[in-house]
Amino acid sequence: DGGITQSPKYLFRKEGQNVTLSCEQNLNHDAMYWYRQDPGQGLRLIYYSQIVNDFQKGDIAEGYSVSREKKESFPLTVTSAQKNPTAFYLCASRGGPGETQYFGPGTRLLVL
Amino acid sequence: GNSVTQMEGPVTLSEEAFLTINCTYTATGYPSLFWYVQYPGEGLQLLLKATKADDKGSNKGFEATYRKETTSFHLEKGSVQVSDSAVYFCALSDPGGTSYGKLTFGQGTILTVHP
Repeated sequence: DGGITQSPKYLFRKEGQNVTLSCEQNLNHDAMYWYRQDPGQGLRLIYYSQIVNDFQKGDIAEGYSVSREKKESFPLTVTSAQKNPTAFYLCASRGGPGETQYFGPGTRLLVL
Repeated sequence: GNSVTQMEGPVTLSEEAFLTINCTYTATGYPSLFWYVQYPGEGLQLLLKATKADDKGSNKGFEATYRKETTSFHLEKGSVQVSDSAVYFCALSDPGGTSYGKLTFGQGTILTVHP
């Protein structure tokens, strides 16, 4: 089945710790995105990547980092510099200009 | 910049009632418009979309028409079911310029349908 997978479903972070969220797609999509969702708010864009080895900051990139070494994979690292990391993180991908973004099932990050 | 405003929720309806969720937008150029649905604990699923003025998107009994003159994309369904209970997001995508297909979302509207 084609789709987007995110792991883990739940992730716990200790103070001062970096954690990495996984996002994999087998849709052969060029573009991938990371969004953050907070209760009662819409989604906000953290980072996006149009092609392998290239990525751009979104609206709320501070405290986050990404890499795009393979077309299928776009991992997000939440660093210790992100002071309020508790949120639901959603990964998405898109085939091309004008096409629809498809979303993964999400990872919920909680702080211990 | 681009923005999307949705009607405030939550919205509570009885089964078989008529649903309207208002969505208005501000954008440069000619955006594509979307409605996504999110069930508890899950990611977003595309519900419907429209890519140009006067287009009507439809799916699973839901409809929305792209109204450029009123910058609106209101979601409607004639008869809701309990299974429609979810959070609904209106979004726009500006395919041009340097936005690279970034989606701008409204804040979401929680819909609860009672039997």
